[in-house]
Amino acid sequence: KQEVTQIPAALSVPEGENLVLNCSFTDSAIYNLQWFRQDPGKGLTSLLLIQSSQREQTSGRLNASLDKSSGRSTLYIAASQPGDSATYLCAVSNAGNNRKLIWGLGTSLAVNP
Amino acid sequence: DGGITQSPKYLFRKEGQNVTLSCEQNLNHDAMYWYRQDPGQGLRLIYYSQIVNDFQKGDIAEGYSVSREKKESFPLTVTSAQKNPTAFYLCASNSLGGEQYFGPGTRLTVT
Repeated sequence: KQEVTQIPAALSVPEGENLVLNCSFTDSAIYNLQWFRQDPGKGLTSLLLIQSSQREQTSGRLNASLDKSSGRSTLYIAASQPGDSATYLCAVSNAGNNRKLIWGLGTSLAVNP
Repeated sequence: DGGITQSPKYLFRKEGQNVTLSCEQNLNHDAMYWYRQDPGQGLRLIYYSQIVNDFQKGDIAEGYSVSREKKESFPLTVTSAQKNPTAFYLCASNSLGGEQYFGPGTRLTVT
């Protein structure tokens, strides 16, 4: 059974730091992996989608990597800003017919001015 | 603007009443999903549908019902059989295997 773990659960950094959020999964037979952002009381915003055949995806200051063999993905945020403060969620879609997402519990990020 | 709309944003009901949450998408996505989010817990899948007139139970379907009569719409009914219905409900959609997009959510409070 696929399980997704995100470490750390919470992170507080000063503005301007580069930071890395981690996501690990137990079954390497995934179809894709997606990173989301959630602000308090809001829906989720998709940040990056990495297909199983890809190693990384980039969008602006965000870079997500995928290592299927080790069951890991990292989300790198460059030059963090207070507006990056949110909860970041990782989800994997298993290879197979239904492609449901399996979710981590998220990392709560606070970027302090 | 393409996207997913959920209404209402806040919903208050008395215990024992059924309530229906609306979800509409204009992204032409085949698949739609309902999740429940509780403090300190991950997202839990209630129901999903990959095609019109068909849907499957997720991990916590008991006390909930859905319909998928149109591609754009996937309403969720929270019935009186749901033991602990107070939660934040999120609707999502995607093309099969594609990026999943979410609506803004409905916060349901049952007293």
